[in-house]
Amino acid sequence: QVQLVESGGGVVQPGRSLRLACAASGFTFNRYAMHWVRQAPGKGLEWVAVISYDGSNKYYADSVKGRFTISRDNSKNTLYLQMNSLRAEDTAVYYCARGGPLYYDSRSHWFDPWGQGTLVTVSS
Amino acid sequence: EIVLTQSPGTLSLSPGERATLSCRASQSVSSSYLAWYQQKPGQAPRLLIFGASSRATGIPDRFSGSGSGTDFTLTISRLVPEDFAVYYCQQYGSSPLTFGGGTKVEIK
Repeated sequence: QVQLVESGGGVVQPGRSLRLACAASGFTFNRYAMHWVRQAPGKGLEWVAVISYDGSNKYYADSVKGRFTISRDNSKNTLYLQMNSLRAEDTAVYYCARGGPLYYDSRSHWFDPWGQGTLVTVSS
Repeated sequence: EIVLTQSPGTLSLSPGERATLSCRASQSVSSSYLAWYQQKPGQAPRLLIFGASSRATGIPDRFSGSGSGTDFTLTISRLVPEDFAVYYCQQYGSSPLTFGGGTKVEIK
């Protein structure tokens, strides 16, 4: 079955960096766009970034542009999120989610399925 | 950016009742590119509806979506205990992708 497993969360000081990973299985990873979505404690959902099936196109929310970088390694079926210059407002559960297959615009598709999430806490 | 406003914020209903959730967009959502998700405490969101009205695989037919343009609705025809959760709408017709603030369906 399709499975997404995030890792790499933890407690980090403001201004520091963290890299999240999302291991995918049960589907042909290199044929799908992939997203990161986050949820601050007790709050709603916020889309963070998307990467196309081949890594050639990447798009970001304004709130993370210039600080976060999405990438993927199709040989390892793994999605990444490099988070630099972290701020307290980046504290959230970060979910990876599968987007659309390669014939879709990477942004024009729903999210299904989602991983279980990994918590990132930015605090001194 | 398309802003999605969900109403009501909280819906208090009893099992067996009908739930009607609204999602209003600040501008037209192209091609009815609107999805609905269900989230239970401590769990990841789960896709219910895509394309405004198509049920995702495995979703019971008591869930239905409708609407177009700027007004969309999620209807749960008869609530069962496992339906009490938070529901989010999301548009994917325009970048950045955006979510509504959510509607909590709670047991009355």
